[in-house]
Amino acid sequence: GENVEQHPSTLSVQEGDSAVIKCTYSDSASNYFPWYKQELGKGPQLIIDIRSNVGEKKDQRIAVTLNKTAKHFSLHITETQPEDSAVYFCAASNSGYSTLTFGKGTMLLVSP
Amino acid sequence: NAGVTQTPKFQVLKTGQSMTLQCAQDMNHNSMYWYRQDPGMGLRLIYYSASEGTTDKGEVPNGYNVSRLNKREFSLRLESAAPSQTSVYFCATPAQGNSPLHFGNGTRLTVT
Repeated sequence: GENVEQHPSTLSVQEGDSAVIKCTYSDSASNYFPWYKQELGKGPQLIIDIRSNVGEKKDQRIAVTLNKTAKHFSLHITETQPEDSAVYFCAASNSGYSTLTFGKGTMLLVSP
Repeated sequence: NAGVTQTPKFQVLKTGQSMTLQCAQDMNHNSMYWYRQDPGMGLRLIYYSASEGTTDKGEVPNGYNVSRLNKREFSLRLESAAPSQTSVYFCATPAQGNSPLHFGNGTRLTVT
């Protein structure tokens, strides 16, 4: 089955800096890669996703890049703000939106 | 998280006790999912239901049973709780049509 590795497990940045979280996947058939943000006491919320026919996608301060050959994808957050502090999860699926395999999460701390 | 309601929010059980975690969605979607979240482990799929009347095992189904009562409700049952089942449990469903998973706010379960 699919295996998703996520790094780093924790990331501390100063407000205004950029943050990058990286994930690798094992199943070359995977074609859907979402990123979720989880705030304390809440369920994960989708922040951005990308399909395997696209190399990069951007939404304001958030971008995701995908390298199919190397089987890795990354989340980029620019101009970080304290409210970006949360746990971020990457995931992969070879069957669209269902049956996602998640990475173990990255705790992002943005200091004012 | 509007659309997916989980009850209870918190529960403490003794080893060997049973309980049912409830999930209801008002998004009128066919598929529903149960995940567990453990520190450093990300989210792992327990069971899912592609449509009313059908259920399938995910990555970690042992010790659990599920019931897809109707299109709205998908329950998760622990027949004889064990300390290893201490976790946060999330129910999820696509928001609409063919779309990403939308999670509830979770049930935090402690088994002593």
